[in-house]
Amino acid sequence: DQQVKQNSPSLSVQEGRISILNCDYTNSMFDYFLWYKKYPAEGPTFLISISSIKDKNEDGRFTVFLNKSAKHLSLHIVPSQPGDSAVYFCAAREDNYGQNFVFGPGTRLSVLP
Amino acid sequence: DGGITQSPKYLFRKEGQNVTLSCEQNLNHDAMYWYRQDPGQGLRLIYYSQIVNDFQKGDIAEGYSVSREKKESFPLTVTSAQKNPTAFYLCASSIVHTKPGNTIYFGEGSWLTVV
Repeated sequence: DQQVKQNSPSLSVQEGRISILNCDYTNSMFDYFLWYKKYPAEGPTFLISISSIKDKNEDGRFTVFLNKSAKHLSLHIVPSQPGDSAVYFCAAREDNYGQNFVFGPGTRLSVLP
Repeated sequence: DGGITQSPKYLFRKEGQNVTLSCEQNLNHDAMYWYRQDPGQGLRLIYYSQIVNDFQKGDIAEGYSVSREKKESFPLTVTSAQKNPTAFYLCASSIVHTKPGNTIYFGEGSWLTVV
């Protein structure tokens, strides 16, 4: 039973437009969420995070939105660039449950020139 | 340069053999992790360790073993009992504290192929 879900396996967006990647979770004890970007045959790199006490966090072209009541978060990339083409993983952590980070299955983003 | 180093990058194993993947970090992180990624799939936790000489099984620990004798090192042994070992293996580490805000950092990964 997946606790972190990314229901879109892939997404294609035109360069310069907005990319929106979605993530849903089932465990209400999760209180910290992260997004990672991964290129083939490389380790994931950290992009942005959000604590459950916030509903938005912004870093340059990347913004993460959190809707706790809906158990939903999204990553917005504006404007999208061809170099953003990668697999994006959503991850969640339960504060009092050790240090276990739970990852979603990932969404492959393709930014078309 | 601070970071997480995994070796080897590519490893071929004959069926029935045990192999060990190395993971070293110089970030002074307390917690270390091993994940497995299969083609087209997400990351699944194999083992993690929050402190030296202690580790816990993750979701798919069967057929794997780990040790944590030093803070910097968390080697993973893929034993012959692991039925489907061909995958991309990722080592990671993080600071341990109870408040939100810590981040998990990954190495570059190791490809293991059974021939």
